[in-house]
Amino acid sequence: AQSVTQLDSQVPVFEEAPVELRCNYSSSVSVYLFWYVQYPNQGLQLLLKYLSGSTLVKGINGFEAEFNKSQTSFHLRKPSVHISDTAEYFCAVSAAWFGNEKLTFGTGTRLTIIP
Amino acid sequence: GAGVSQSPRYKVAKRGQDVALRCDPISGHVSLFWYQQALGQGPEFLTYFQNEAQLDKSGLPSDRFFAERPEGSVSTLKIQRTQQEDSAVYLCASRGGRGGAAPSRYNEQFFGPGTRLTVL
Repeated sequence: AQSVTQLDSQVPVFEEAPVELRCNYSSSVSVYLFWYVQYPNQGLQLLLKYLSGSTLVKGINGFEAEFNKSQTSFHLRKPSVHISDTAEYFCAVSAAWFGNEKLTFGTGTRLTIIP
Repeated sequence: GAGVSQSPRYKVAKRGQDVALRCDPISGHVSLFWYQQALGQGPEFLTYFQNEAQLDKSGLPSDRFFAERPEGSVSTLKIQRTQQEDSAVYLCASRGGRGGAAPSRYNEQFFGPGTRLTVL
């Protein structure tokens, strides 16, 4: 089984400042890692994913994340945030083998951008 | 349509009522997932279909929850004798292709907007 921990439930950040949203995971098998964004009254949208290869992955809207296997982390970063980035962000993991594609999510981090 | 759709978007039920939540996946998508998202929490897996076969229902919280996908397209999540603890947003996701273990065969799950169920 897998589990995901997002330690920060809320992160306030000034507009144009950098931000890092933290994610740690636990798993006994190899995993795929994901960040999803959820805007109010909307479904989840995939920001980026790590499947294999380079540990630094780039996603949509200027976000990037780095997979660190030794620290079992997959932190999300953006160098300069915008008001439109205000949303709930979820880190998720799935086992990297066929037949077990379900996603296990963290509890989410609410990112609030301060003008 | 271009995305996953769910209906109704909002449902209010009295405790003890039965409810049915519908999911229309992206046309041609083989896999379909249901998740439950309680207030202030992340989504939690309920069940998974590949075509009409329900391959994993380990996340269904009780035997009051039942899901079906009889023709391998539209899916319905049914909750019998609803309880207050069933209040949540129910999310549906679909995924194209058969998928696979190798990264080159991984296919993304696309989520619908959810159905917000409130049990009074």
